[in-house]
Amino acid sequence: GIQVEQSPPDLILQEGANSTLRCNFSDSVNNLQWFHQNPWGQLINLFYIPSGTKQNGRLSATTVATERYSLLYISSSQTTDSGVYFCAVGKGAQKLVFGQGTRLTINP
Amino acid sequence: GAVVSQHPSWVICKSGTSVKIECRSLDFQATTMFWYRQFPKQSLMLMATSNEGSKATYEQGVEKDKFLINHASLTLSTLTVTSAHPEDSSFYICSARWGAVNTEAFFGQGTRLTVV
Repeated sequence: GIQVEQSPPDLILQEGANSTLRCNFSDSVNNLQWFHQNPWGQLINLFYIPSGTKQNGRLSATTVATERYSLLYISSSQTTDSGVYFCAVGKGAQKLVFGQGTRLTINP
Repeated sequence: GAVVSQHPSWVICKSGTSVKIECRSLDFQATTMFWYRQFPKQSLMLMATSNEGSKATYEQGVEKDKFLINHASLTLSTLTVTSAHPEDSSFYICSARWGAVNTEAFFGQGTRLTVV
């Protein structure tokens, strides 16, 4: 099955800093999503981005499908950005496979 | 985005009893629903995939007789943990999407199950 690797596993930053989270995957996919899991466990959809670039406020994401990776950018980090960020990929009608996540901590 | 509602948010049950968790898509018809399990500080592990009106497909190592999944309508799927034991304590999350391919999945808020 598809393997998904996220890096870094942990990231600690000061408020106001920028960050880049990476997601590598082992096969071609036609579904890729980024999520933020809040402290209560809820998965918040950030981007549905099987290819191309999207932006939403301080967040943006780029997926280079031919090279099998995706990047999530967070600019001007806020303490509320803290949490775990997951990348999940899928192929065809198959299930979403999750990476191990990046735990982001933003200190005031 | 679309809304998926999961109930209850948390439940405590005695060992040996059964617990039912509901997952509803509130504003779209979910042709496919997924059930995940998450242990502390770990990623989500898929337990099973269910399509409306058909039997669920379970991942390897998941006991279908223990984790009963029903997807009776396009807006409701249920997961029943039968004869629960303390090792079943975990965070369970459902997901729903419409269509078979190339569609975004949305997640419920999760259910924290504690078996005592």
